[in-house]
Amino acid sequence: QKEVEQDPGPLSVPEGAIVSLNCTYSNSAFQYFMWYRQYSRKGPELLMYTYSSGNKEDGRFTAQVDKSSKYISLFIRDSQPSDSATYLCAIQTGNNRKLIWGLGTSLAVNP
Amino acid sequence: EPEVTQTPSHQVTQMGQEVILRCVPISNHLYFYWYRQILGQKVEFLVSFYNNEISEKSEIFDDQFSVERPDGSNFTLKIRSTKLEDSAMYFCASRQSSYEQYFGPGTRLTVT
Repeated sequence: QKEVEQDPGPLSVPEGAIVSLNCTYSNSAFQYFMWYRQYSRKGPELLMYTYSSGNKEDGRFTAQVDKSSKYISLFIRDSQPSDSATYLCAIQTGNNRKLIWGLGTSLAVNP
Repeated sequence: EPEVTQTPSHQVTQMGQEVILRCVPISNHLYFYWYRQILGQKVEFLVSFYNNEISEKSEIFDDQFSVERPDGSNFTLKIRSTKLEDSAMYFCASRQSSYEQYFGPGTRLTVT
């Protein structure tokens, strides 16, 4: 059973749109959920981090975890062309806090 | 702002050769990681390193791979006898004691 699943897209939206990015996961014991953003030819950069269930908001970004359905989401409000990147969900697990990754969703925000 | 650096940015090597990928983690960080991403596939965990020893390794991290922190600043990944399927982006990451891992820009390894 695959641990983290994410639709790779690509996703193309007009500037100002609300973007919804999603992942599912298989292990109900997972508790630490991350969203990373990756620009072309750069390493992943942490955007949001959520522990257990619930919502977390940071500016235009909201991360949401639904543990009952094993579903994690990232919402981007008022999307900007500078948000164009690949968004990767990841789950941090184990004593050494290794990351298990989704495939990443490629997002293009068009002016 | 401190950042993780990696060299080289791109390495081309012939099958069977040994390569060393270098990383300089953020200076006060204690935990170090290598991940790789084969084109079109997920980022995969390779190994974590703490207190001068491997703390966890994946199934991918077999005897072909080794890591070292030779001088208290660099963190290296050595791949012996490279294979075509080792072609990938290799990312180094480090963290202090908190959850956040900081990533370098990656080394693109091409094995021909």
